[in-house]
Amino acid sequence: GDSVTQMEGPVTLSEEAFLTINCTYTATGYPSLFWYVQYPGEGLQLLLKATKADDKGSNKGFEATYRKETTSFHLEKGSVQVSDSAVYFCAVQGGSEKLVFGKGTKLTVNP
Amino acid sequence: GAGVSQSPSNKVTEKGKDVELRCDPISGHTALYWYRQSLGQGLEFLIYFQGNSAPDKSGLPSDRFSAERTGGSVSTLTIQRTQQEDSAVYLCASSSPHSGGATNEKLFFGSGTQLSVL
Repeated sequence: GDSVTQMEGPVTLSEEAFLTINCTYTATGYPSLFWYVQYPGEGLQLLLKATKADDKGSNKGFEATYRKETTSFHLEKGSVQVSDSAVYFCAVQGGSEKLVFGKGTKLTVNP
Repeated sequence: GAGVSQSPSNKVTEKGKDVELRCDPISGHTALYWYRQSLGQGLEFLIYFQGNSAPDKSGLPSDRFSAERTGGSVSTLTIQRTQQEDSAVYLCASSSPHSGGATNEKLFFGSGTQLSVL
């Protein structure tokens, strides 16, 4: 079945540092790829998505590019802020309707 | 309501008791999902509903777990004879198919039910 492997962390960075959270996937057909974020005390929410190869999803300064050749969808941000501290989940939606999530990566950004 | 509503927000129960968790999806959303979130395990898929039917219940951990959805709206997840390993946050999400297509994409999540089995 579909699966996602993401960098488990935790990741601790200083403010304005560069962020990369790695994510690779296996899926049938032509999957859609997602990053969801869970801020402290809040519910999961969609951060960005890409639905076909070479698409770049972006939101709030975060970016991820759908790389079919490497089956990857790494999350990046050039300059993180304290407010970016959260748990980030990579997810894939393949031939079935269900969304399969990775285990999550906890990011802490220190001032 | 404006979002996905789950109740109760917290549930403490004794081992061996049955529990029912409720999810009220966003009005008009046809797809409904249950996930379980445990420390170190990430988000574990449990079951998916399209309308009132469940085309994918492959994630239910055992026959102690069951779920139903009535009227294409409210869903209930029931755990019978709870065990300590059932302790987790149970998340519900709903979504609506994109117009002209069958693929559900953006999921809207509730705040979850924190279940503690003593």
